[in-house]
Amino acid sequence: SQKIEQNSEALNIQEGKTATLTCNYTNYSPAYLQWYRQDPGRGPVFLLLIRENEKEKRKERLKVTFDTTLKQSLFHITASQPADSATYLCAFYGQNFVFGPGTRLSVLP
Amino acid sequence: KAGVTQTPRYLIKTRGQQVTLSCSPISGHRSVSWYQQTPGQGLQFLFEYFSETQRNKGNFPGRFSGRQFSNSRSEMNVSTLELGDSALYLCASSMGVAGEGVSGELFFGEGSRLTVL
Repeated sequence: SQKIEQNSEALNIQEGKTATLTCNYTNYSPAYLQWYRQDPGRGPVFLLLIRENEKEKRKERLKVTFDTTLKQSLFHITASQPADSATYLCAFYGQNFVFGPGTRLSVLP
Repeated sequence: KAGVTQTPRYLIKTRGQQVTLSCSPISGHRSVSWYQQTPGQGLQFLFEYFSETQRNKGNFPGRFSGRQFSNSRSEMNVSTLELGDSALYLCASSMGVAGEGVSGELFFGEGSRLTVL
């Protein structure tokens, strides 16, 4: 079945550093990948979409890459801030939306 | 414009009861999908509706059902509740159906947190 894995359940980094989150997918070749942010007790919020023919996409301090050979997307937050602490979800649409388990990022002051 | 509205936000039921959750999508959005989120399983797809038609259904038992009305509002129902149905139920709307020329960016509501005792 179509599946997404995210590199770690939790990631702690120091404020000001770059956070890198990994999303690996199997059994499908999606036309695009999406990244969402979810705060505790809230619904996910869309952040970025990257298509299969795009190597990289940027939005302010966020950068996403998409490697269809490795079946992997990397999500970077540069100059991280405590307000970036949240769970980040990777998703693609196959027969329906498939979400990864998420990585809980904690940015320590 | 107003976001996706889900009601109720919190509810407590006992085993064997049934529950109906409601979702009002963003105005103009015709696609609504539902997800169950639990700590162990993450976000699991339940159903997807577009123009009152169910397009896809996830791997959940028949106790889980849904529908969409002509105004795009949607409801989901869970009958004969079990303890394992305790979860955050999320509704999301989008302009069209993902994969049909639409990127399918999802706009989520805040969810309905169901506790089954």
